[in-house]
Amino acid sequence: AQSVTQPDIHITVSEGASLELRCNYSYGATPYLFWYVQSPGQGLQLLLKYFSGDTLVQGIKGFEAEFKRSQSSFNLRKPSVHWSDAAEYFCACITGGGNKLTFGTGTQLKVEL
Amino acid sequence: DAGVTQSPTHLIKTRGQHVTLRCSPISGHKSVSWYQQVLGQGPQFIFQYYEKEERGRGNFPDRFSARQFPNYSSELNVNALLLGDSALYLCASSNTGLMNTEAFFGQGTRLTVV
Repeated sequence: AQSVTQPDIHITVSEGASLELRCNYSYGATPYLFWYVQSPGQGLQLLLKYFSGDTLVQGIKGFEAEFKRSQSSFNLRKPSVHWSDAAEYFCACITGGGNKLTFGTGTQLKVEL
Repeated sequence: DAGVTQSPTHLIKTRGQHVTLRCSPISGHKSVSWYQQVLGQGPQFIFQYYEKEERGRGNFPDRFSARQFPNYSSELNVNALLLGDSALYLCASSNTGLMNTEAFFGQGTRLTVV
């Protein structure tokens, strides 16, 4: 069965520092890949998505992600983190059967001022 | 434009009771999916409906059921509530429900079972 792994449960960065959140997927073919952000008590907001084509994907709020087939990874990056980026980040994939999303367990981002 | 709306926002129920959660999709969207998010976990897929027909079901017991109405709104029903059903229930809508369509999430319903 397909799965998504986010190895880092918690990450703390200083405001202005760069950020990379890791995501690995397990699936035989190329899945559709997503990054969502969730603020406390809120729903999920889509940051970016990869379906095909250019492996470097630009999203909202200055985020980008790179799909690496050889590493089965889809890591999220931001060059300079803002305090408002503190939230939980979820990587997800669609591997077939409609647009059912399989999510990772999430990475909680804390930003130190 | 209104996004995905869910009601109620919070709910407290007693073990053994029944609960109904409601979702109104974005106007024009014909597909609704339900997810359960237990504290500290990622959302888990429960159901997907498209044009009032069930298109997918996750690994949840038969106590969980759902339906979609002609106006594309949806209800999620949970019978015989257990403490472990306490979670944030998220509804997502998309226009076709196909693989390459984005899902838009509501704010969720926080269910607490005591």
